[in-house]
Amino acid sequence: QQQVKQSPQSLIVQKGGIPIINCAYENTAFDYFPWYQQFPGKGPALLIAIRPDVSEKKEGRFTISFNKSAKQFSLHIMDSQPGDSATYFCAASKYNYGQNFVFGPGTRLSVLP
Amino acid sequence: KAGVTQTPRYLIKTRGQQVTLSCSPISGHRSVSWYQQTPGQGLQFLFEYFSETQRNKGNFPGRFSGRQFSNSRSEMNVSTLELGDSALYLCASSLDSPGQGDEQYFGPGTRLTVT
Repeated sequence: QQQVKQSPQSLIVQKGGIPIINCAYENTAFDYFPWYQQFPGKGPALLIAIRPDVSEKKEGRFTISFNKSAKQFSLHIMDSQPGDSATYFCAASKYNYGQNFVFGPGTRLSVLP
Repeated sequence: KAGVTQTPRYLIKTRGQQVTLSCSPISGHRSVSWYQQTPGQGLQFLFEYFSETQRNKGNFPGRFSGRQFSNSRSEMNVSTLELGDSALYLCASSLDSPGQGDEQYFGPGTRLTVT
């Protein structure tokens, strides 16, 4: 019940395309859903996060769509660029006097020039 | 403002040894979390410290332990190293709770190799 599933495992798109990465969770107690971007040799960096009380959030070219009833959320990257090539992780957590994040397995995105 | 720093960046140990990794959070951040990242298991939460107290713990054996000092710097220790402990160990800091509006900033990690 603590698992977060993520798909696809890898994704290749052309520059300007809109890659979509999907995540699904089981624990309805989760109340915070962030997405992280990780480049080789670096630690993950927070891209955007959403809470269950909203269905969509946009920050720049990144959009999270959230479907509470389906227990799914997805990341869309508009007008993707080669510099977006990285590994993307979704995560979920439940505030319980501190944090215990559960991460998806990651999606390796390649944006071709 | 300086980011999260971790030392050392690379470490090679042999089975049975113990290791201590260090993390200096961003100035003013009081929460420090540790994660293990491996190709097979992905990112897994180890534990979180806040004001020198362990607030939350993941599902790792007791060989993995940590502590936080009064200046918020944190260390994690792994005793009796096993080959499967080879991983990238990431530290992350936040002002208070990373899930309550406080962004969690990750360090570059310590790459531990157990031979």
